[in-house]
Amino acid sequence: DGGITQSPKYLFRKEGQNVTLSCEQNLNHDAMYWYRQDPGQGLRLIYYSQIVNDFQKGDIAEGYSVSREKKESFPLTVTSAQKNPTAFYLCASKLAANNNEQFFGPGTRLTVL
Amino acid sequence: QQQVKQSPQSLIVQKGGISIINCAYENTAFDYFPWYQQFPGKGPALLIAIRPDVSEKKEGRFTISFNKSAKQFSLHIMDSQPGDSATYFCAASKGNTDKLIFGTGTRLQVFP
Repeated sequence: DGGITQSPKYLFRKEGQNVTLSCEQNLNHDAMYWYRQDPGQGLRLIYYSQIVNDFQKGDIAEGYSVSREKKESFPLTVTSAQKNPTAFYLCASKLAANNNEQFFGPGTRLTVL
Repeated sequence: QQQVKQSPQSLIVQKGGISIINCAYENTAFDYFPWYQQFPGKGPALLIAIRPDVSEKKEGRFTISFNKSAKQFSLHIMDSQPGDSATYFCAASKGNTDKLIFGTGTRLQVFP
């Protein structure tokens, strides 16, 4: 099966703790993206990566960090510096050239207790 | 200039009716306009997309109408069904490598 997997589906974290959300794709896509979704605010871009070992900040990168050591993996760390981390986090990927379509994973719901 | 404005925020339609969701953009360099459908607790999925060289694109019951001069595009769902109840997002981007700019979403409820 080809696709994007995100784990875990639900994640609970205590305040002050860092937590890492997993995103893996076996679509051989070049670009990968992390979005945050809050009710009534649509999808806001956190970080994106066009190629391995390179990534750029999106619109709301503060309090988050990423790495892109492998083409198929783009983990997102939510640090304790993120003031309001409770949200639904979505990972997406796409081919780099001649294709705009982004494919989304099933999401991870993070709740800070 | 990077914003995509979407309306309405929510929409209630009777089964068999037409659902219409509108989006407006400012950046005339945008050249790709997709619509995504998202069910609760799931990731969005591409529904239909259009490029500015055509004014309309139809796929089954779903149609995108595109007005380049007005910088607006809309999604029409014909013969709306309860299974269409979901949140719909419009988006826009320019070039093949640029990031997508999303609208704020429309929650559609179709009642039998």
